[in-house]
Amino acid sequence: DVKVTQSSRYLVKRTGEKVFLECVQDMDHENMFWYRQDPGLGLRLIYFSYDVKMKEKGDIPEGYSVSREKKERFSLILESASTNQTSMYLCASSPSGLDSSNQPQHFGDGTRLSIL
Amino acid sequence: RKEVEQDPGPFNVPEGATVAFNCTYSNSASQSFFWYRQDCRKEPKLLMSVYSSGNEDGRFTAQLNRASQYISLLIRDSKLSDSATYLCVVNALGTPLVFGKGTRLSVIA
Repeated sequence: DVKVTQSSRYLVKRTGEKVFLECVQDMDHENMFWYRQDPGLGLRLIYFSYDVKMKEKGDIPEGYSVSREKKERFSLILESASTNQTSMYLCASSPSGLDSSNQPQHFGDGTRLSIL
Repeated sequence: RKEVEQDPGPFNVPEGATVAFNCTYSNSASQSFFWYRQDCRKEPKLLMSVYSSGNEDGRFTAQLNRASQYISLLIRDSKLSDSATYLCVVNALGTPLVFGKGTRLSVIA
């Protein structure tokens, strides 16, 4: 089974702090994704990566950055946390291939981040 | 226009009932289709892929209508454990998956 592991289930940080959310997958997947999920808004894509050292902006990248130094690890960084970044953060991965569009994503357990 | 639209529900149905969800998508280039299930405070999990000819997995049947750009999920003989939010997901080649906001189902004893 695919295992996507997020470093924390619950995290509380203060406004202005730099926050790191870590995600590791063990299936050698090329593609990794970061989402946030808020009531009534569904899953929104923040950033994604199709390869090491590669990153692409999703729908809501403002206030975030990412790092993909190794294939198995994709980090989400909140440069200066704000209260409107309180949310559930979900990491996902999927394999690539000749027809990568057909591959579903596998999600981590999520991190509930509260910014005070 | 939203890329993937679902009726948010909630659908409240008794045990044993048959329930159907529909989902419409706007990108005619979409090639892959999935249904995910998400339990309260949990991560989304793949329920089933949706194939052009339609496909069945036990009590669950998925259908795709490319001409009308909609996908459906039918659940027969509903169980209490089917209570969850069901997410419709579509994907065009070379782009990330696009998730609907989900349809909430409550199966009542």
